[in-house]
Amino acid sequence: DTGVSQDPRHKITKRGQNVTFRCDPISEHNRLYWYRQTLGQGPEFLTYFQNEAQLEKSRLLSDRFSAERPKGSFSTLEIQRTEQGDSAMYLCASSSDRDRSHHEAFFGQGTRLTVV
Amino acid sequence: AQSVAQPEDQVNVAEGNPLTVKCTYSVSGNPYLFWYVQYPNRGLQFLLKYITGDNLVKGSYGFEAEFNKSQTSFPLKKPSALVSDSALYFCAVRDRNYGQNFVFGPGTRLSVLP
Repeated sequence: DTGVSQDPRHKITKRGQNVTFRCDPISEHNRLYWYRQTLGQGPEFLTYFQNEAQLEKSRLLSDRFSAERPKGSFSTLEIQRTEQGDSAMYLCASSSDRDRSHHEAFFGQGTRLTVV
Repeated sequence: AQSVAQPEDQVNVAEGNPLTVKCTYSVSGNPYLFWYVQYPNRGLQFLLKYITGDNLVKGSYGFEAEFNKSQTSFPLKKPSALVSDSALYFCAVRDRNYGQNFVFGPGTRLSVLP
């Protein structure tokens, strides 16, 4: 499978616990994005990596959230001290700037987080 | 700042009829424009994009969209709707000159009735 892969697909956690999600982008893609989507809403931008450098962060990304892409390949998103308001679908996407004909991002199937 | 508006929460259309899903955008520079579709409990699937050139762009599954710079609009269209087109549709914009993130609209739920 050459698509964007996210793990786990579903996560249920108790309030106050830490969670970590993983994203494996399409292998030749150098750009990686994290978005959050709540029910009935459009995806909201969280952060963006170009290779291993985190170049943009949304104000939505509080200090409880951290993202890494240590070798410019897979990425992790960690949420510390989860709150019920963190319950959402977390979407990862990747794209490439190496081919000028490609500008779109390709999305994974998401990780659905439920904080109880 | 970039923004996208999709003024209709819901669009209902009979199977076989043409469909239109509205989208307007705001960017400080020139836009890249995209349409994505989302089925229940799934990620977003790319449908089509406007980058440059012809204002009418064609994409997957018979969908097309027309870029209108003066109206800052990019409506999604299909000549003949199928029941299987029923899903959530998102319009997105990326500013060519500022940042790399995609800004999405709130989505429009399309229901195609048999």
